Amino acid sequence: DAGVIQSPRHEVTEMGQEVTLRCKPISGHDYLFWYRQTMMRGLELLIYFNNNVPIDDSGMPEDRFSAKMPNASFSTLKIQPSEPRDSAVYFCASSLWGPTNEKLFFGSGTQLSVL
Amino acid sequence: QQPVQSPQAVILREGEDAVINCSSSKALYSVHWYRQKHGEAPVFLMILLKGGEQKGHDKISASFNEKKQQSSLYLTASQLSYSGTYFCGTYTNAGKSTFGDGTTLTVKP
Repeated sequence: DAGVIQSPRHEVTEMGQEVTLRCKPISGHDYLFWYRQTMMRGLELLIYFNNNVPIDDSGMPEDRFSAKMPNASFSTLKIQPSEPRDSAVYFCASSLWGPTNEKLFFGSGTQLSVL
Repeated sequence: QQPVQSPQAVILREGEDAVINCSSSKALYSVHWYRQKHGEAPVFLMILLKGGEQKGHDKISASFNEKKQQSSLYLTASQLSYSGTYFCGTYTNAGKSTFGDGTTLTVKP
C-alpha cells in the first residue's frame, strides 16, 4: 500500500489567497484526520471523519478553515482567506478503526508558508 | 488540555537507557506513542489501553498507570536510530484526543 498521500508537499502563498490541501487515505481505512503542527502549539487535531462524515471539528480554528471528504479516498482542507499565522505543517492521517484504540498512519505532510 | 511530557529533551550515548513520561489531568482511555524524525511524519510506536498494561517491542516498551493517568516510555540500550521527538497522544473517556509537546531524544555515538 502506498500509505497516506498528501499534496502538495510544500505550498507558498500570499496572505488573502485560498489554499487547498489534499489527502488520500489508505484504502479501507474508515477514519481520516487532519492535524496541524507548529512549534508554538505542537500537534493539534483539527477535524476527523468517519466514513466520510465529519465527527469532531472542534479543533478547526476559525471559519476560514473548512474540510470536506466527498468520498472514501479523498479529503481536502481549505483555508480561505489565508493568513501568515496559518503557516504550519499540516498532516493528514488515517486509521482502520476509531482513534482511541487504533494506530494512526500519517502522510508526509504539507509545509504551508503564508507570506 | 494536553498531556505534559517530561523531560523536554534528553541526550544519550549509544547503549544508554531513557525514560519519557506523559501525564494527564483527565481520566484516560488510552495512550499512544509516536516518534517523529526531523522533517518527517510521526510514526506509530504503540498503544496502551486502560487496564494498566505494559507493552513493548524490541527494546522499546511502555506502561500505563490508569490510577495516576500517567504513561512512561522506556528505551533500553539506545541506538542512533532512536533519535527523534517522541509524542504521547492521550484519549479521554469522552473521546477527546490531544498530543503532548514532545520529548526530543538525541543519541550520540
